[in-house]
Amino acid sequence: GAGVSQTPSNKVTEKGKYVELRCDPISGHTALYWYRQSLGQGPEFLIYFQGTGAADDSGLPNDRFFAVRPEGSVSTLKIQRTERGDSAVYLCASSFQAGGWAGNEQFFGPGTRLTVL
Amino acid sequence: GQQLNQSPQSMFIQEGEDVSMNCTSSSIFNTWLWYKQDPGEGPVLLIALYKAGELTSNGRLTAQFGITRKDSFLNISASIPSDVGIYFCAGQLIQGAQKLVFGQGTRLTINP
Repeated sequence: GAGVSQTPSNKVTEKGKYVELRCDPISGHTALYWYRQSLGQGPEFLIYFQGTGAADDSGLPNDRFFAVRPEGSVSTLKIQRTERGDSAVYLCASSFQAGGWAGNEQFFGPGTRLTVL
Repeated sequence: GQQLNQSPQSMFIQEGEDVSMNCTSSSIFNTWLWYKQDPGEGPVLLIALYKAGELTSNGRLTAQFGITRKDSFLNISASIPSDVGIYFCAGQLIQGAQKLVFGQGTRLTINP
């Protein structure tokens, strides 16, 4: 597609359940990023992939969070034993390559709004 | 946690007025970016700055990368109703440049 897509757009789950959030990056983009945005705040970095490997996962809050990108395109963010504090909008972004220079900006998807009851 | 301080947190202006918002940091940033976010959408890139002192325009938007590499501002001239939304500054640190660090956002409301 033309832009980054994320599914589902909304996810409501119960505390303790497992959820998966999917991101389809822009075709040809090798770098993929996950961010989390709490209400009234700016996005916060979780993890980024260069190709299939997680190059920086320093933003993952704990070991309940895990992300994969097995074929270097689609990525899935997985959250185990969800807690109410996990409720937020999860944003995915992609860029042509990793690194900050002209022409390599990050483009964001619409996000998945996760609500943990 | 957040390393960028963005101000003001909110602005209420009349249509046609000019707008100014800024971000500061205690850390040096390699890149400064300004995004706009509408309800239910992801952030959309407005302007990207790559050199200290750089001044860049995009239509009615003008942004500058501070000389010290620790600040940036965004100006919007002659505001129109579609400018309503939340504006975020974001930066990439010199080391570990891949991830973006975001400010808290400036919510812009325009009275017609």
